[in-house]
Amino acid sequence: KQEVTQIPAALSVPEGENLVLNCSFTDSAIYNLQWFRQDPGKGLTSLLLIQSSQREQTSGRLNASLDKSSGRSTLYIAASQPGDSATYLCALRPKDSNYQLIWGAGTKLIIKP
Amino acid sequence: DGGITQSPKYLFRKEGQNVTLSCEQNLNHDAMYWYRQDPGQGLRLIYYSQIVNDFQKGDIAEGYSVSREKKESFPLTVTSAQKNPTAFYLCASSGGPNTGELFFGEGSRLTVL
Repeated sequence: KQEVTQIPAALSVPEGENLVLNCSFTDSAIYNLQWFRQDPGKGLTSLLLIQSSQREQTSGRLNASLDKSSGRSTLYIAASQPGDSATYLCALRPKDSNYQLIWGAGTKLIIKP
Repeated sequence: DGGITQSPKYLFRKEGQNVTLSCEQNLNHDAMYWYRQDPGQGLRLIYYSQIVNDFQKGDIAEGYSVSREKKESFPLTVTSAQKNPTAFYLCASSGGPNTGELFFGEGSRLTVL
């Protein structure tokens, strides 16, 4: 059974630091993996989508990588800012399901000014 | 602007009442989803629809009902049969079941008094 794990559950770093958020999964048979951010009381905002055939995707200060062989995806945030404070969730779409996403529990990120 | 609109943002309900949450998208997406989010828990799928006039139950469909009469609309009714309806409800859509990027609305917070 596919499982998605995000460790740590919470992370606090000073402003300006580069940081990496982790997303691990147990089965490499996936269609894609998507990273989201969620601000308190808000919906989810899509950050990056990596298809199974891709190794990484970049958007501004964000870079997401995918290594299916090791069952890992990372979200790299460069030069962190207080506005990056949010909960970051990863979700993947398994190949044996055409609708169901498997969600991680999220990492709550706090960037200290 | 293209996106997903959920309404109302906040809703209060007395026990025994049915309520309907609205979800409208202008992204021309075929697939639409309803998720429930509770504090400390991951997102759980309630219902999804891949095409007009068709929908399937997710993991926690009991006490909920949906309809998909139009491509752009996917309303969710929380019935009195739902034992613990107080939660944050999120609507999402995607362009395709396997490779499509998932987009979310801003959410509706339902509180049962």
